[in-house]
Amino acid sequence: EAGVTQFPSHSVIEKGQTVTLRCDPISGHDNLYWYRRVMGKEIKFLLHFVKESKQDESGMPNNRFLAERTGGTYSTLKVQPAELEDSGVYFCASSLRTSGSRDTQYFGPGTRLTVL
Amino acid sequence: EDQVTQSPEALRLQEGESSSLNCSYTVSGLRGLFWYRQDPGKGPEFLFTLYSAGEEKEKERLKATLTKKESFLHITAPKPEDSATYLCAVQAVGLDNFNKFYFGSGTKLNVKP
Repeated sequence: EAGVTQFPSHSVIEKGQTVTLRCDPISGHDNLYWYRRVMGKEIKFLLHFVKESKQDESGMPNNRFLAERTGGTYSTLKVQPAELEDSGVYFCASSLRTSGSRDTQYFGPGTRLTVL
Repeated sequence: EDQVTQSPEALRLQEGESSSLNCSYTVSGLRGLFWYRQDPGKGPEFLFTLYSAGEEKEKERLKATLTKKESFLHITAPKPEDSATYLCAVQAVGLDNFNKFYFGSGTKLNVKP
């Protein structure tokens, strides 16, 4: 069974440019999460989808970040315009179960974003 | 405020030298505590889930335990291939009863031959 995949693995852009990250969850997983790890800090929650709906976006830093999950399959995270502090590793995770139950999240390899 | 703290930040062991990593947490509505292993340039790899105080899980040289305030990851007779960053994450009740994860900053383990 294929795991969570993310694309690209690395992205280097200049301040002010736009970048789109993609995540393909494990097949059949309704829950999809985005996380970010900035240098020296812990992994922090950004957003949670249940199928195509945004269940919790309380971790999104500001309105320069836009996440979508069309059709409840893969998800994209767009940063526009990118700022220096957006640099970090963006992880995607997916899980099978829904609310009120125990749930294991499986992570992708991450996308390393560098904003110059 | 929900919080997860891991210690030590880094740990250097000789091959065969057993030790323990700590994860202390303060969350409301704990659903589970997770241990992940992360190798450089890769995503977190799931190791264990613990759901209630007193629970223990084992896998090869690793054993995870849980109390009401903390979890330990015991490493017995480690080998160089156990070198990695070990992450602790706590699953708590979030918005509308959906799960929310809080991560610690990790313990970087280096096992020397």
